[in-house]
Amino acid sequence: QKEVEQDPGPLSVPEGAIVSLNCTYSNSAFQYFMWYRQYSRKGPELLMYTYSSGNKEDGRFTAQVDKSSKYISLFIRDSQPSDSATYLCAMSQISGGSNYKLTFGKGTLLTVNP
Amino acid sequence: GAVVSQHPSRVICKSGTSVKIECRSLDFQATTMFWYRQFPKQSLMLMATSNEGSKATYEQGVEKDKFLINHASLTLSTLTVTSAHPEDSSFYICSASESDSPLHFGNGTRLTVT
Repeated sequence: QKEVEQDPGPLSVPEGAIVSLNCTYSNSAFQYFMWYRQYSRKGPELLMYTYSSGNKEDGRFTAQVDKSSKYISLFIRDSQPSDSATYLCAMSQISGGSNYKLTFGKGTLLTVNP
Repeated sequence: GAVVSQHPSRVICKSGTSVKIECRSLDFQATTMFWYRQFPKQSLMLMATSNEGSKATYEQGVEKDKFLINHASLTLSTLTVTSAHPEDSSFYICSASESDSPLHFGNGTRLTVT
């Protein structure tokens, strides 16, 4: 079993739809959770960062963490064609320092159709 | 804040030659930077941790003599792919974080070895 599982999709939705992206993990030592957006041929861009169970909202994006179920989600409201990208979940046991290692999901390819 | 710049964005080289990739933290000092590699439709895999003023730490299976890392200052780390071969063709991405904040990534370098 991989440490982080993420459905690679592809996921195709119409503009304006609510998108739900999910990751599960097996290592209960993970304490910090991130969502990155990666456009084709670009580096990942940090979208959301959280370290506690519950919801965190930023504009159209909501990150949800359920540590008891080892499950994290990213919701995108009112999706736009510009949201079309690969979304990567990532997690780590610590934050900062030379042992700061992120474990990534495989990424979900999202296409928002106008 | 927390901008990471990577150069070049794209390089094509002949088999047997060496290629140097630069990673700079533009608005913060980074004692630690991380180098990742990403194959097409795959997630990011950590190659090595670059420590300012000391030797890099390599992940299992990564050849340290092939992927030379130098972290000569608090804002610059370089990755040199020595004696490159076609199988080294990949997308190389560096990252860094300011203090205990989440990792920010450069825009990546696409290496093609012919």
